[in-house]
Amino acid sequence: GQSLEQPSEVTAVEGAIVQINCTYQTSGFYGLSWYQQHDGGAPTFLSYNALDGLEETGRFSSFLSRSDSYGYLLLQELQMKDSASYFCAVSPFQGSQGNLIFGKGTKLSVKP
Amino acid sequence: DAGVIQSPRHEVTEMGQEVTLRCKPISGHDYLFWYRQTMMRGLELLIYFNNNVPIDDSGMPEDRFSAKMPNASFSTLKIQPSEPRDSAVYFCASSLLIDREDGYTFGSGTRLTVV
Repeated sequence: GQSLEQPSEVTAVEGAIVQINCTYQTSGFYGLSWYQQHDGGAPTFLSYNALDGLEETGRFSSFLSRSDSYGYLLLQELQMKDSASYFCAVSPFQGSQGNLIFGKGTKLSVKP
Repeated sequence: DAGVIQSPRHEVTEMGQEVTLRCKPISGHDYLFWYRQTMMRGLELLIYFNNNVPIDDSGMPEDRFSAKMPNASFSTLKIQPSEPRDSAVYFCASSLLIDREDGYTFGSGTRLTVV
């Protein structure tokens, strides 16, 4: 089967940098995605890593290392509005291509 | 584009009643997904369609759940009869391609409470 592990909660202060890790156990997958979800809101797509390495999009960066079965989301210059849950997700080779499997999410709290 | 539109936003129903959730995907998106989110199980894929055809319904919990996509701009998820354990937030999402480069666009969800 496939499983994704993330820390359940992370707290950081405004202006700081925070890294949210995602480790996984899966036989193979197309790539690692990250989504953001504010309380009561819908998941919103942030980034996708098809290949190993770092992808940067503004204040957010995402990293993937297939050899280490590990990825992370890096948020820089934290703002209060970044307080939300962050989910990593993969589409395993096994099964249908559209089955995006999500981790349980990391609740990020940004303090002033 | 108005994004993925779901209705109703909230639904409270009694156990045993039929519930129908509705979704309008983004125009031109070929893929439509139904997800369910609960505290215990997180986000789970129920079923997805490609060009109105169901591709994978392995996530549908049981025969009480059914989903249809009669045309490219409308899909329904029906629960009959509903049970308290069906209480969750149900999200519809759509995407242009199965390629994950652009991600899936989710609707605002329907919060279902079965009492």
